[in-house]
Amino acid sequence: KAGVTQTPRYLIKTRGQQVTLSCSPISGHRSVSWYQQTPGQGLQFLFEYFSETQRNKGNFPGRFSGRQFSNSRSEMNVSTLELGDSALYLCASGGQADTGELFFGEGSRLTVL
Amino acid sequence: GIQVEQSPPDLILQEGANSTLRCNFSDSVNNLQWFHQNPWGQLINLFYIPSGTKQNGRLSATTVATERYSLLYISSSQTTDSGVYFCAVRTGGYQKVTFGTGTKLQVIP
Repeated sequence: KAGVTQTPRYLIKTRGQQVTLSCSPISGHRSVSWYQQTPGQGLQFLFEYFSETQRNKGNFPGRFSGRQFSNSRSEMNVSTLELGDSALYLCASGGQADTGELFFGEGSRLTVL
Repeated sequence: GIQVEQSPPDLILQEGANSTLRCNFSDSVNNLQWFHQNPWGQLINLFYIPSGTKQNGRLSATTVATERYSLLYISSSQTTDSGVYFCAVRTGGYQKVTFGTGTKLQVIP
């Protein structure tokens, strides 16, 4: 059974650009959540989707947005990139029973120059 | 919001030694997981343990929800155990996940 797949794995952008990251959850899982990891702030929750609906949202500016498609794949978008957006972005898939147990992908490492 | 603190923040062990990592949380939780972050950044599931005790090989975990803490035990440590260990909690319903501050473990030969 395939795990959580995140693409791209690495990317470099410049300030002011926008970026879209993709996450395919484990087959049968309907919940997808996103996290940002930086050395200074640790691991922080961005948002969570379940059956195409945003179920929860962290404390991030409106430049950070996401969506989930009918096949449970999710994308997150960051517009008007800032240097501080450089981070590892992790996606997690929720279990079939939606117990809250999380399974993580390998992450997308974004560098903003 | 809920506060999640882990201790110690850093730990250096000789290969073969045992260790205990702690996760304290400031409010009731209905969901707690332990993860190991490998050098490439991926979070590897260790335990899903809202309460009670579980064991998996050299690792075991105990959560005492009423006292708001969880412990991760690593026995006979190996160099491959090196990395950062996180606990993550979720309070009732579908509340957002909060990660702990992490414990960075280095196992030396």
